[in-house]
Parts: sequence; structure tokens; C-alpha cells
Amino acid sequence: DIVMTQTPLSSPVTLGQPASISCSSSQSLVHSDGNTYLSWLHQRPGQPPRLLIYKISSRFSGVPDRFSGSGAGTDFTLKISRVEAEDVGLYYCLQASQFPYTFGQGTKLEIK
Amino acid sequence: EVQLVESGGGLVQPGGSLRLSCAASGFTFSTYAMHWVRQAPGERLEYVSAITSSGSSTCYADSVKGRFTISRDNSKNTLYLQMGSLRAEDTAVYYCASLNRPFYIYWGQGTLVTVSS
Repeated sequence: DIVMTQTPLSSPVTLGQPASISCSSSQSLVHSDGNTYLSWLHQRPGQPPRLLIYKISSRFSGVPDRFSGSGAGTDFTLKISRVEAEDVGLYYCLQASQFPYTFGQGTKLEIK
Repeated sequence: EVQLVESGGGLVQPGGSLRLSCAASGFTFSTYAMHWVRQAPGERLEYVSAITSSGSSTCYADSVKGRFTISRDNSKNTLYLQMGSLRAEDTAVYYCASLNRPFYIYWGQGTLVTVSS
């Protein structure tokens, strides 16, 4: 199975400031079809996760443009340009390039 | 509208068994791999098990291998998780999820399993 490793595991940020989360995979996530199926999910307390970003950098429907994704191969980053109060919670990277699809340990974003 | 509805959770004694179900609708269930993911109270998500679209291949986390069995019935659009030899550390909300590329990522609301005497 592909192991996904996120850093940091906890990130205290100030409202209005940027935040960044890194994710690395134990092997390349480039699929045989040429795409890289790396997604980012956000989970608020008491709710299931929801999709933010797919294929490294494509924002899912309804996701604010302050969220952006980048990276290639085995190293990826999620950035929030200006953190808002509703952004608190857990963030997970997820790979769907190789079955079973696996996700990182999660990064807890909290407000300072 | 895509829906994943888990059921079957509850209170069970250590060493006991439970069968979770996940009823899927709103998408072509038989073409998607499916996963079970759990989350202990206050903790992070933990992958439990996965099954390919046909059911021909299954995977398990080391923590549940030999005790849990994932299966599916594509004629009923339903995913299952048979859990046995349950332990206190299996206490969690269990989510049924489609984690399929490129963006067919859907989650149920979860069902709570509590293992306690």
C-alpha cells in the first residue's frame, strides 16, 4: 500500500494569514493514464470529510479560491491564502492512483 | 444525488461481532471500489478496509486483518463489513466511502460502534 505522510500534524494559524500543509507519498502517484490522483479533504468536527482539491490542483465545485494545491510525483502542498474561521478542522491528503486508496494522518488546523 | 447510508452500529461486548451495511444510491455502485474508514472519538481517520468494484480483491489494515471481512452485493448496491473478535480499540464511527478518481469522493454520515462491557 502507498503510505501518505503529512506535515505538520498540527498548525496554529492567525486569521487572515496563510497556511500550508505538505504531503508526501511513498511512491510516485503518476497513474498509467498520465494523471496524478492526489486529492485534499477537509473535515469539520462531527462531520464526514469533504473534497477540496482533486488531481493535485483542481478545486472541487464550490470550494473558495483561497484554497490551492500544487506538487508532482511524490510531493504535494495545500495552501490557504488567507485563513478564515470556517477553515478549522482536519485536512487529509488522499491518493487514488493505486488501490487501495490511502490517505495521510491528517493535519489539524486551529486558530491561534 | 449520491447517498451512502451506513447502518448496523451499536453497543457490543468485547469479543463480540457486528455487521455493518452501507446502502448506496445516486451513482453506479458496481463500477466503484469502496472503502471502510473509521474515526475513534477525538481522533483522526483510519483506513480499515477496501474492496474493488467486482469484489475480487480486498485489503485490510493490519489492525483488523483476520477479524474483519469486507464484502459487497452489487445487485443490492450494498457494502458490508463483518466485524468479529471486537476490542475496545475498535470503538469508532465507521464511515463507508467512495474514494474514486478523479473526484468521485463520497462519504456516508457514519455509524457508531461502541465496544464495551
